[in-house]
Amino acid sequence: NAGVTQTPKFQVLKTGQSMTLQCAQDMNHNSMYWYRQDPGMGLRLIYYSASEGTTDKGEVPNGYNVSRLNKREFSLRLESAAPSQTSVYFCASKTSTGTYNEQFFGPGTRLTVL
Amino acid sequence: AQSVTQLGSHVSVSEGALVLLRCNYSSSVPPYLFWYVQYPNQGLQLLLKYTSAATLVKGINGFEAEFKKSETSFHLTKPSAHMSDAAEYFCAVSDGSSSASKIIFGSGTRLSIRP
Repeated sequence: NAGVTQTPKFQVLKTGQSMTLQCAQDMNHNSMYWYRQDPGMGLRLIYYSASEGTTDKGEVPNGYNVSRLNKREFSLRLESAAPSQTSVYFCASKTSTGTYNEQFFGPGTRLTVL
Repeated sequence: AQSVTQLGSHVSVSEGALVLLRCNYSSSVPPYLFWYVQYPNQGLQLLLKYTSAATLVKGINGFEAEFKKSETSFHLTKPSAHMSDAAEYFCAVSDGSSSASKIIFGSGTRLSIRP
């Protein structure tokens, strides 16, 4: 049981390049999330998917797109990377069974945009 | 709307001393509250969560938090700090329990332990 996995672990892009961050979970969770973490700002929600087939914007969606490929996988795409998107990106998942459900996090992707 | 405020972006304590990390929340509904820990270069892992079963919640690694509705607080404590406790700690509140609910994180408190 690997939990939440993310690829790649590190990435360096030039301004204007595109890339996709991959996330997968093996816990049969319905909900999945993408966050970015910047110093002093905690985690900010980019996009989330409450269930397979649905996606919604979070607090900071501009410059990003997402795809909920199936129940396991939720990808984040940067179409034209900008230096302001230099950050650490975390994927998380959560079950919708019961209450007081916490999110489970992946190890993160460190992205630098030059 | 739900929000959390963590007082103090950096806390430093001596090994063996009491750890107190402060969190105040704002919620229009009964809150779902969490504390997460992040060790260097790792993802977040759950320390503990408030489930309304008890106001004093015990978590992993000797941490506990007390829910005080009158003070809208959920402070994290540990009686005796250990060097391995050095990490960043995040308080968080959920806006519900459905599949569409989201967790809002505080800005984090970095805990340093002095030998």
